[in-house]
Order: sequence, then C-alpha cells, then structure tokens
Amino acid sequence: DIQMTQSPSFLSASVGDRVTINCKASQNINKYLNWYQQKLGEAPKRLIYNTNNLQTGIPSRFSGSGSGTDYTLTISSLQPEDFATYFCLQHNSFPLTFGSGTKLEIK
Amino acid sequence: QVNLLQSGAALVKPGASVKLSCKASGYTFTDYYIHWVKQSHGKSLEWIGYINPNSGYTNYNEKFKSKATLTVDKSTNTAYMELSRLTSEDSATYYCTRSAYWGQGTLVTVSS
Repeated sequence: DIQMTQSPSFLSASVGDRVTINCKASQNINKYLNWYQQKLGEAPKRLIYNTNNLQTGIPSRFSGSGSGTDYTLTISSLQPEDFATYFCLQHNSFPLTFGSGTKLEIK
Repeated sequence: QVNLLQSGAALVKPGASVKLSCKASGYTFTDYYIHWVKQSHGKSLEWIGYINPNSGYTNYNEKFKSKATLTVDKSTNTAYMELSRLTSEDSATYYCTRSAYWGQGTLVTVSS
C-alpha cells in the first residue's frame, strides 16, 4: 500500500496569510493526487484533482502542485471560511489512501 | 444536479450486521463507480472499496474484505454496503462518493 505522509498535522494562521500543506507519498503516484477540505459535521469537499486542477466552484486562492512523491496545497490568502481540516488522497493505485489530515486553525 | 443521499444513523449491537444505502440522482447511475469511505471519530479517512454499478464488479481494500459487502440495485439507482460482525472498531461515519460528489455520511454506532 502507498503511505501518504501529510504535514503539518496542525497549522495556526491568520486571515490573509499564505499557507502550504504537504503530502509525501511512499512511492511515485504520477500526479494522481487530490485535495479535500472537511468542515466539522460535513462530508469532505474536493478542492483539487490530479495535483493541480481546480474543482469547479472552488476559489482560485486554492492551488496545487507537485510531482513524483511530493505534493503541495497552497492557499494564497486565507479567508475565514477556510479554517477546516484538509486531506490528500492518492488514486494512483489500489488501495486508495488518504493523508492523516491537517487541521487549520485561526491564530 | 448530482446528489448522493445516504440512509440515516444506525445503532447496532455487537456481532450484528447493518446495511447502509446510498441513493444516486442527477446522473446516469451506471456510468460511474461508487466508492465507500470510513471515517472514525476525529480521525482520518479509509477507503473501503468501490463497485461498478453497471457490471457489479467490486474492488475491496484488503483490510475490509471480510467486513464489507458492496452491492447495487440498478432499478432504484441505489448502492448498498453491508457491514458484518460489527464491533466497537466499526463505529464510524461511512460515506459513499462518486469522484467529486459525496453523500452526507451515515453514522454507525456499535453498542449493546
């Protein structure tokens, strides 16, 4: 199974900050990497698919990059509604595996 | 618009089974796989497996092969997941998902 190591686990930031969240795969996942946002009591919402493709309706302050084993989600200017938990998912091979999550909190 | 509507919360006894449903609407049901995901309280997500609604073909995470059974009813555009021999470790929220679209989740609580 491909292990996804996500960092940091917790992130404290202020409105307007630029933040990055990372996922490292235990092997090459060929850019088959999605990012999700989850708010308390809600289902995950897909933000980015296949490394850098913005899901329809998601603000452009969200972006993704990476290749091989290393991937990054960037939020260019944090908004109040962005405080949530973020997960990565590799779908290069089965079983699909998720990162452990990053909880983004207000500083 | 695509919608996945899951069945309501379930309280089940240890050792019993439970069957969760996921009713799809807004698209051609047989065109997309349905995946199921487990989220234990406050923890990360685990992929259980997927089913091809057109053929009934399934692919399971080895960890859930003896726990979950995925089926569909094409006549009602509904996917099902049955969880068997439940223990406290199975208490979690379970989601069905089709690419970007997710159901609202079903909370399963295993308790005597």
